Amino acid sequence: AQKITQTQPGMFVQEKEAVTLDCTYDTSDQSYGLFWYKQPSSGEMIFLIYQGSYDEQNATEGRYSLNFQKARKSANLVISASQLGDSAMYFCAMRSNNAGNMLTFGGGTRLMVKP
Amino acid sequence: DGGITQSPKYLFRKEGQNVTLSCEQNLNHDAMYWYRQDPGQGLRLIYYSQIVNDFQKGDIAEGYSVSREKKESFPLTVTSAQKNPTAFYLCASSMQGRSGGYTFGSGTRLTVV
Repeated sequence: AQKITQTQPGMFVQEKEAVTLDCTYDTSDQSYGLFWYKQPSSGEMIFLIYQGSYDEQNATEGRYSLNFQKARKSANLVISASQLGDSAMYFCAMRSNNAGNMLTFGGGTRLMVKP
Repeated sequence: DGGITQSPKYLFRKEGQNVTLSCEQNLNHDAMYWYRQDPGQGLRLIYYSQIVNDFQKGDIAEGYSVSREKKESFPLTVTSAQKNPTAFYLCASSMQGRSGGYTFGSGTRLTVV
């Protein structure tokens, strides 16, 4: 079974500073994918970044980067230069290629950006 | 533009009633999913379907039913057997084997009154 753990229920960050949101996962599969989604108060799920288990380099998408440490089963999201619009819930998710392409989600972290 | 449409956005249900949430996609995706989200929590899988006329239970299928008669459509029925149906429901779709994750609808907020 897959499990995703996000240990930070809520976090504050000052505008323009960087912030790291933690995510650890548990799987016995060798091939899997890790995702981060942003959920603003409107409820929609916005895809941010993806990391494959065989990718050697950390994924980056604009201000988002994923700090992938495979041996530690860690996939932390780093947001650089935080903006007020970054205030939202953030979810880490994992898809195992052996589990029917289903995504398993963590409990989320609420990020609040202070002006 | 391609995407997923969920309707209605808000739904109120009286206790003992069945209600059906609509989910339609025009992305030509093979797989579709229903998730439930309770306030301040993550998403939990209710049902999923990888091909037409086939679907499987997720982690919390009790009290729910689905159908997949067309590739584009995956409606979810919340039955009277679901004891605590008030929640936010998200539908998603994906291509089989696609590495880019899911495309989500905008959700339906169901409230029991």
